[in-house]
Amino acid sequence: GNSVTQMEGPVTLSEEAFLTINCTYTATGYPSLFWYVQYPGEGLQLLLKATKADDKGSNKGFEATYRKETTSFHLEKGSVQVSDSAVYFCALSPQGGSEKLVFGKGTKLTVNP
Amino acid sequence: DTAVSQTPKYLVTQMGNDKSIKCEQNLGHDTMYWYKQDSKKFLKIMFSYNNKELIINETVPNRFSPKSPDKAHLNLHINSLELGDSAVYFCASSPPISGELFFGEGSRLTVL
Repeated sequence: GNSVTQMEGPVTLSEEAFLTINCTYTATGYPSLFWYVQYPGEGLQLLLKATKADDKGSNKGFEATYRKETTSFHLEKGSVQVSDSAVYFCALSPQGGSEKLVFGKGTKLTVNP
Repeated sequence: DTAVSQTPKYLVTQMGNDKSIKCEQNLGHDTMYWYKQDSKKFLKIMFSYNNKELIINETVPNRFSPKSPDKAHLNLHINSLELGDSAVYFCASSPPISGELFFGEGSRLTVL
């Protein structure tokens, strides 16, 4: 079946540190991959996405590259800010659309000043 | 102007009661969803409607009944509430094919 595994949190970093949140997936066919972010007290919002192998999604300084050979979509940011504190969800869509979007368990990031 | 809005934002009630959560989206999307997020932030899809028609119905107790009076609204009614129903319920909508979900702010349900 389709599944997403992301690193367990919580992750605590100091401002300007480098961030990596690992995400690997299992899927049949050619899924689309997503990172969603949930700020405290809010709903999830799309951070970035990639629809095919070797695509790189990027937004707000965050990047993730769709790696088919390692079935991974790791999230990275070179220099985190306090305002990046949130829960980050990796997700996949088996058919590329929103139907049955499969989410990982979420990774809570706290950035300290 | 909020794109996906849910009411109420907070709901505290006793076991055995019946309650409803309402959702409205003004984005013109055909597809709407209900997700449940537990205390560990795990997010699970419950239902999906496309243009008022049920298309996804995950393994959810039949105490939960969604209703879509039109494609801009998807309400969730829960009968005979149980302690385990305590969670944050998120409504979402999506345009076709894009894979992007637009979430509401969530409705935190606490069952005592």
